[in-house]
Amino acid sequence: EDQVTQSPEALRLQEGESSSLNCSYTVSGLRGLFWYRQDPGKGPEFLFTLYSAGEEKEKERLKATLTKKESFLHITAPKPEDSATYLCAVPPEGSNYKLTFGKGTLLTVNP
Amino acid sequence: GAVVSQHPSRVICKSGTSVKIECRSLDFQATTMFWYRQFPKQSLMLMATSNEGSKATYEQGVEKDKFLINHASLTLSTLTVTSAHPEDSSFYICSATSEGVAGTDTQYFGPGTRLTVL
Repeated sequence: EDQVTQSPEALRLQEGESSSLNCSYTVSGLRGLFWYRQDPGKGPEFLFTLYSAGEEKEKERLKATLTKKESFLHITAPKPEDSATYLCAVPPEGSNYKLTFGKGTLLTVNP
Repeated sequence: GAVVSQHPSRVICKSGTSVKIECRSLDFQATTMFWYRQFPKQSLMLMATSNEGSKATYEQGVEKDKFLINHASLTLSTLTVTSAHPEDSSFYICSATSEGVAGTDTQYFGPGTRLTVL
């Protein structure tokens, strides 16, 4: 069964303290790995799509990287406004349209 | 670009009534729209996939007669929760896909609808 596992479940950082979130997947023949940010009571906001091992994408303080088994979301010098739940998702085997989501990492950045 | 709206953002209804939620892609034509529900502190659970002009495909365990989906155009899909009961209370989120690369469409999400059934 296709699985997406995110770790840690929750992460508390001080403002400026860099760290990484992990997303490991077991689906074979990866056709894209998606990162989203979700604020409480809102829908997920699209951040990145990665398609092949070695690929990296950046947006402000966030950088996403991809290997054959996992993806990392690196947060450099985070600010309190980066606090949110970060979700990763992959299309399950046999589907180009659906997404299987991980449970997310709740990031809290304290001032 | 790729903005998806939902209406209403919040609805409270009595048990036994029906509630309709609209999902619109505002600046693109969506080839496919999805409906999810999310319980507190849990991830998104896909309920159904809909394509314009055809019947929705429901995930296992989702009652299609209870959650009616109509995908009337390339920019509008509606979810109707029929005869709602308190256990249907949840956060409902739609998404829409726009053509991406490598055969995988990126899903853009709406802001969600909080349904409370009394």
